[in-house]
Amino acid sequence: KQEVTQIPAALSVPEGENLVLNCSFTDSAIYNLQWFRQDPGKGLTSLLLIQSSQREQTSGRLNASLDKSSGRSTLYIAASQPGDSATYLCAVSGGSSNTGKLIFGQGTTLQVKP
Amino acid sequence: KAGVTQTPRYLIKTRGQQVTLSCSPISGHRSVSWYQQTPGQGLQFLFEYFSETQRNKGNFPGRFSGRQFSNSRSEMNVSTLELGDSALYLCASSLDRGGYTGELFFGEGSRLTVL
Repeated sequence: KQEVTQIPAALSVPEGENLVLNCSFTDSAIYNLQWFRQDPGKGLTSLLLIQSSQREQTSGRLNASLDKSSGRSTLYIAASQPGDSATYLCAVSGGSSNTGKLIFGQGTTLQVKP
Repeated sequence: KAGVTQTPRYLIKTRGQQVTLSCSPISGHRSVSWYQQTPGQGLQFLFEYFSETQRNKGNFPGRFSGRQFSNSRSEMNVSTLELGDSALYLCASSLDRGGYTGELFFGEGSRLTVL
C-alpha cells in the first residue's frame, strides 16, 4: 500500500530564505508526482508535475526533484516571500496506475515572516 | 479558460439527510476525480470518472456515489449523512490522452457541515 510522508509538518522562516520541503513515498512504482499549494479554506493549486521518467521540474522560484529509486522528492523554494505562506502537499499516482487517483501526504504548513 | 467549478461552495445538512455536489471540469477535460479532505485523515480519494464510467474507486462506504454526464460534468451524492461526513469535498479534472491522466487541476471545493 502506497504511503506518502512529508517532513516537516510545519516550518517558519524569515522572508528571503531558501527552503526545502521533503516528500517520501514507500512504493517506487509511481507514474508521476505532483506538488500542490493550498491556502486556508481553499482548493489546491498545482505547482509542478514530475513524470516518473523525469528527475526535476522548475517553475519560477520553485524547483522540484524526484528520485524514484529512493522514494523521495524535494520542493525547493528560492528567496521565500510572505505570499508563499500556505500548506504544500505532495501527491503520487496510485502505484503504477495512470489514472486520476492520487495518494497525498499530510502536507507541510509554511509560514514566511516579513 | 475557466477552471474547475464546484457548487455549492458551502452547505449545512443534518444527520440522515442526503446531499448532491456538482463539478464542472475544465473545458476539454474528460477525467473527473473526487476527494474528501478532513483535518484527521487529510486528502482521501473517493472515485474517478472518465467518459461517464467509473474508472477507479477509493475505500468509502456505498453511501458515497457519483456519476458523470456526457458533457463531462460530474456529481457526487452522499446518502444518510453522518457527522463524520463533514469535510471539504474537492473535485479535480485532467486531460486524458489515450489513457494517460496528466496534471490534476482542482476546484475550490464544497464545504459540507453535518449537524
